[in-house]
Amino acid sequence: QVQLVQSGAEVKKPGASVKVSCKASGYTFTSYYMHWVRQAPGQGLEWMGVINPSGGSTIYAHKFQGRVTMTRDTSTSTVYMELSSLRSEDTAVYYCAREVAAAGTVGFDYWGQGTLVTVSS
Amino acid sequence: DIQMTQSPSSLSASVGDRVTITCRASQGINNYLNWYQQKPGKAPNLLIYAASSLQSGVPSRFSGSGSGTDFTLTISSLQPEDFATYYCQQSYSTPPTFGGGTKVEIK
Repeated sequence: QVQLVQSGAEVKKPGASVKVSCKASGYTFTSYYMHWVRQAPGQGLEWMGVINPSGGSTIYAHKFQGRVTMTRDTSTSTVYMELSSLRSEDTAVYYCAREVAAAGTVGFDYWGQGTLVTVSS
Repeated sequence: DIQMTQSPSSLSASVGDRVTITCRASQGINNYLNWYQQKPGKAPNLLIYAASSLQSGVPSRFSGSGSGTDFTLTISSLQPEDFATYYCQQSYSTPPTFGGGTKVEIK
């Protein structure tokens, strides 16, 4: 069965960086794009970007360009999301989500369990 | 970016009620609209894709409709496990954007 397992919770100081991992299993890793979506406490869902695990190409949301880097390791079927220059507003649960394309639309059919990143001095 | 507006932001309903949630896009998005359910402390779960197609494994009491700018998610008979927050998401253009969510609470 498809599983996305994320790394554990992190506590970081303002200005630091965090790197969250998402290990995929149960399907062909390189066949599905992987997205990152975050959710601040009590807030809605915010798309951060997407990586093509096959070639490594990425598209980032304008808001995060210059601060976010998404990479992948095909040997371990793992994608990574690194966010730098952290500020308190980056405190959120970060999710990886597998893209599914059906009937012309693109959605997210499998999600990781989420990784809480807390930014606090 | 395309703005997605959901209404209401919250509602109270009883088991067995018919519930309708609406989602409006700031511009036409054809039928490139998905719906998710999220329970506290859990990741979202895809319910409906392409505005009206039921994701595999999702109960048939969930249905979606709409095209262009206006969409609805309907729960025909609310069950105890349906109390959650629901989000719409457009995939017409990048970046994909979500509505603000509708919290369905027990009356």
